[in-house]
Amino acid sequence: DSGVTQTPKHLITATGQRVTLRCSPRSGDLSVYWYQQSLDQGLQFLIQYYNGEERAKGNILERFSAQQFPDLHSELNLSSLELGDSALYFCASSPSGVHQETQYFGPGTRLLVL
Amino acid sequence: GENVEQHPSTLSVQEGDSAVIKCTYSDSASNYFPWYKQELGKRPQLIIDIRSNVGEKKDQRIAVTLNKTAKHFSLHITETQPEDSAVYFCAASMDRDDKIIFGKGTRLHILP
Repeated sequence: DSGVTQTPKHLITATGQRVTLRCSPRSGDLSVYWYQQSLDQGLQFLIQYYNGEERAKGNILERFSAQQFPDLHSELNLSSLELGDSALYFCASSPSGVHQETQYFGPGTRLLVL
Repeated sequence: GENVEQHPSTLSVQEGDSAVIKCTYSDSASNYFPWYKQELGKRPQLIIDIRSNVGEKKDQRIAVTLNKTAKHFSLHITETQPEDSAVYFCAASMDRDDKIIFGKGTRLHILP
């Protein structure tokens, strides 16, 4: 157990809908990262927050947004969902946001869009 | 941006033999190369990492080598065991940001 928690574990929804995925980092970690894992694309970096501020952006679609709250938990919002958004979404955290620290992954949220 | 290529996509080795997974990266500014192991249905976990100021790092049965000139790095697992069966991801990142770019993964099967 890495200490990173994610809810929900599974999510089934329909195309066009909006969902929110939640992540709580390890106690004391300031940075949160979001990744999308699909069968053909591997692990894709989406976005990183450090102490409430956006720090780095990857291949995140405009339909997706995220934020980190004062208590350091983070939410990833996915809207206008498409079939291709079905994937495993991981969040990870690291202690201080210093470059190139070890990232600790949560158990993931499996999203199925029907 | 950075691009990481990983080979092979699938690898089967006899228990007790060695396994080697190779990755190449495109951006010479990359200077940190972690390897993650993901068992079936579980989260990725860091198993070893290497920074560009060293050429090799070992941790028991696992070693990673880095060739900065050729921009490639490899994971070596010796005396493989059934519990080594998993998907292994290589990754690269650079000082200027916290993005980690992952390879597409290698599914390693250890055959009895």
